[in-house]
Amino acid sequence: QSALTQPASVSGSPGQSITISCTGTSSDVGGYNYVSWYQQHPGKAPKLMIYDVNNRPSGVSNRFSGSKSGNTASLTISGLQAEDEADYYCSSYASSSTLEWVFGGGTKLTVL
Amino acid sequence: QVQLVESGGGVVQPGRSLRLSCAASGLTFNDYAMYWVRQAPGKGLEWVAVNSNDGSNKYYADAVKGRFTISRDNSKNTLYLQMNSLRAGDTAMYYCVTSYGDWGQGTLVTVSS
Repeated sequence: QSALTQPASVSGSPGQSITISCTGTSSDVGGYNYVSWYQQHPGKAPKLMIYDVNNRPSGVSNRFSGSKSGNTASLTISGLQAEDEADYYCSSYASSSTLEWVFGGGTKLTVL
Repeated sequence: QVQLVESGGGVVQPGRSLRLSCAASGLTFNDYAMYWVRQAPGKGLEWVAVNSNDGSNKYYADAVKGRFTISRDNSKNTLYLQMNSLRAGDTAMYYCVTSYGDWGQGTLVTVSS
């Protein structure tokens, strides 16, 4: 299956809001409410930031929010902070019957 | 606190085999499907394989189908990945991931002559 499409990079200044998109098809993003977002700092393992489209795990700042419309999911980070600078990946089920996952190519967030 | 600890990575020659393990704690292991996800140096995340919570169903990415085997021992809270006929393109950090989204720290596999 093809990877989900994310912008290669986004940037914003401290205090601003940014949105990262994740575009798939009706067979993955559009077909299930199982989109997750991960944050990855250099040399570290990915960390779950959003699951099931718009749910935050315990301990994740409420500055992070998720949404979905059709075949496109989005991650919004409000009140940007320097520590938010990282790579962000979206993922979705590609098939709920086989539990397969598909990932986006990743987006590098730069805090200016 | 969920903890996933991968082991078994290393440097291996093309065509050889390697077995990765992932020891899980802090969760009811048999409640979760378990995944292997890899990340080649400087690249993005790639789903490799998944094993259903009871171990009965296993699915693989096309890139590893027929060469890799995922398995689990729920009595030991451990997930495995048997990797055969390794290729240079399999060089990556391999992560163990729960279906909820908890990740281990990864184990590095380098395939090189």
